[in-house]
Amino acid sequence: AQSVSQHNHHVILSEAASLELGCNYSYGGTVNLFWYVQYPGQHLQLLLKYFSGDPLVKGIKGFEAEFIKSKFSFNLRKPSVQWSDTAEYFCAVKRRSGGGADGLTFGKGTHLIIQP
Amino acid sequence: DGGITQSPKYLFRKEGQNVTLSCEQNLNHDAMYWYRQDPGQGLRLIYYSQIVNDFQKGDIAEGYSVSREKKESFPLTVTSAQKNPTAFYLCASLQITGATEAFFGQGTRLTVV
Repeated sequence: AQSVSQHNHHVILSEAASLELGCNYSYGGTVNLFWYVQYPGQHLQLLLKYFSGDPLVKGIKGFEAEFIKSKFSFNLRKPSVQWSDTAEYFCAVKRRSGGGADGLTFGKGTHLIIQP
Repeated sequence: DGGITQSPKYLFRKEGQNVTLSCEQNLNHDAMYWYRQDPGQGLRLIYYSQIVNDFQKGDIAEGYSVSREKKESFPLTVTSAQKNPTAFYLCASLQITGATEAFFGQGTRLTVV
């Protein structure tokens, strides 16, 4: 079964600091990769996604992520965070060949707190 | 507009009672999922279904049951056998093949009193 590992469970940064959240997955085949965000009291929203092509993808609110196939990684980045980025961030991986539980696997999430 | 709807948003249950959470999607997605979200534990898979009248246990299925009688609907029943049912429950749907993303409902917060 595939797995998704998010390295940092809690991250605290000051405003304007740069952000990088790590995500690694274990599946060796073709994958779709996602980052979801959950702001306090709100539902999960798609932040960005990678399906194919340029491995550097840009999402909403200035976020970007880079797919490095050789490292099985899909790290999330933002050059300068804002207080409003405080949220829970989830990395997710979907196998391209099928569904099922292995079709969509989430990491445990990273709780990001931005201090003013 | 296409989407996925969970109801109710908040639910209170007395100990020993079963309760059913609703999840409906009009996206024509094949697969539907139920996750439980607890602080510090991320999203844990309860049950999933890839096709009507078929479903599979996820990582934490004990104390839960589901049905998939229609493609659009995937209700989750939290039974009295679930020892710690107070949590936030999320439903998702996904098109199995192709380059697609999962869509989530707004969640149901269940509190056992």
